[in-house]
Amino acid sequence: TQLLEQSPQFLSIQEGENLTVYCNSSSVFSSLQWYRQEPGEGPVLLVTVVTGGEVKKLKRLTFQFGDARKDSSLHITAAQTGDTGLYLCAGAGNNRKLIWGLGTSLAVNP
Amino acid sequence: NAGVMQNPRHLVRRRGQEARLRCSPVKGHSHVYWYRQLPEEGLKFMVYLQKENIIDESGMPKERFSAEFPKEGPSILRIQQVVRGDSAAYFCASSLIPDTNSPLHFGNGTRLTVT
Repeated sequence: TQLLEQSPQFLSIQEGENLTVYCNSSSVFSSLQWYRQEPGEGPVLLVTVVTGGEVKKLKRLTFQFGDARKDSSLHITAAQTGDTGLYLCAGAGNNRKLIWGLGTSLAVNP
Repeated sequence: NAGVMQNPRHLVRRRGQEARLRCSPVKGHSHVYWYRQLPEEGLKFMVYLQKENIIDESGMPKERFSAEFPKEGPSILRIQQVVRGDSAAYFCASSLIPDTNSPLHFGNGTRLTVT
């Protein structure tokens, strides 16, 4: 069974700080998606990474896919209160299903 | 362009009643997915449908739960004889193509409370 583990589960930081959250597995994924979910809303896609070692930037967010395509990280620079939310990663598994992590709940305090 | 529309946003049912959750996908999307979310369990896949066909229902309980996506109209997730354990947020997502590289567009969910 393919699993995705996200860490940390909870993170509370001050505005302006940097942070990194992780999405790890022992399995290889053909691609990996990152979503952000705000309270009371559905997840919204941030990025899809496909190639091992790939780095994608979205303003202050930097996403990296591991060389072996088993893990990924999301780094946020100078966090803002608007970054608050649940960050979910989802990997494309063997049977072409998306495997979801449990998420990292981020709170950015003013 | 309207995104995925789910209704109702909140649904309260007594034990034993039926719950019907509706999902209208993004216009032009023919692939619909239903997920269930509990705070401690993250997003759990339930069922994947294409117009008039169930493609994968491996995440949906065999009893009391059913889903359809008719040729015309929204996709419906139906839960018969609800129990307290069915209380959760149910999300619908749609995609243009079924490939797992294709982004999923989520609705804002239906929060079901069973009293």
